[in-house]
Amino acid sequence: GEDVEQSLFLSVREGDSSVINCTYTDSSSTYLYWYKQEPGAGLQLLTYIFSNMDMKQDQRLTVLLNKKDKHLSLRIADTQTGDSAIYFCAEKDNQGGKLIFGQGTELSVKP
Amino acid sequence: EAQVTQNPRYLITVTGKKLTVTCSQNMNHEYMSWYRQDPGLGLRQIYYSMNVEVTDKGDVPEGYKVSRKEKRNFPLILESPSPNQTSLYFCASKSGGVGNQPQHFGDGTRLSIL
Repeated sequence: GEDVEQSLFLSVREGDSSVINCTYTDSSSTYLYWYKQEPGAGLQLLTYIFSNMDMKQDQRLTVLLNKKDKHLSLRIADTQTGDSAIYFCAEKDNQGGKLIFGQGTELSVKP
Repeated sequence: EAQVTQNPRYLITVTGKKLTVTCSQNMNHEYMSWYRQDPGLGLRQIYYSMNVEVTDKGDVPEGYKVSRKEKRNFPLILESPSPNQTSLYFCASKSGGVGNQPQHFGDGTRLSIL
């Protein structure tokens, strides 16, 4: 079945760039999403990319998609302490509307 | 303000005592869904609904029930809760059925079953 994998932890220094990686298995996925979860809060949609795109940039966020390797990454430029959160990669199941989530990557930003 | 509202936000209860977690959205979305979030597993779908009176099982439906009598509400029912249902639960909604519109999530309900 479909599967989405992420590393569980990432630690960076304030001002550095963060790169969160994700791999997925369903090559027919049309949209891939990045969600952010702050402590005690729900999931906030950060950005998404259509499968016919290689890259999408939105202010400090850059999403790169390598369809051949089924690899998705989220780059956060000039990482701030307010970016500390859990980041989830998700692909949309093409049969129903459900999202298939990775385990989440906990980003820790140190001053 | 467009939002998905879940109640309660926190609940501690005992095994076997029926409980209901409510979910309401004010965006006139057709699609609604429940997920549970467990450490190291990400979010897994419990049930979903494409529209009023249409519900389907997700990946982990055992021990749960749902109903969709009105478009805005999608309650999650635990008839006889057990400790393995201790988790963080999220309700989500989106427009357009199976389409690609992003899902909007509630703030979560943390359930502890003793």
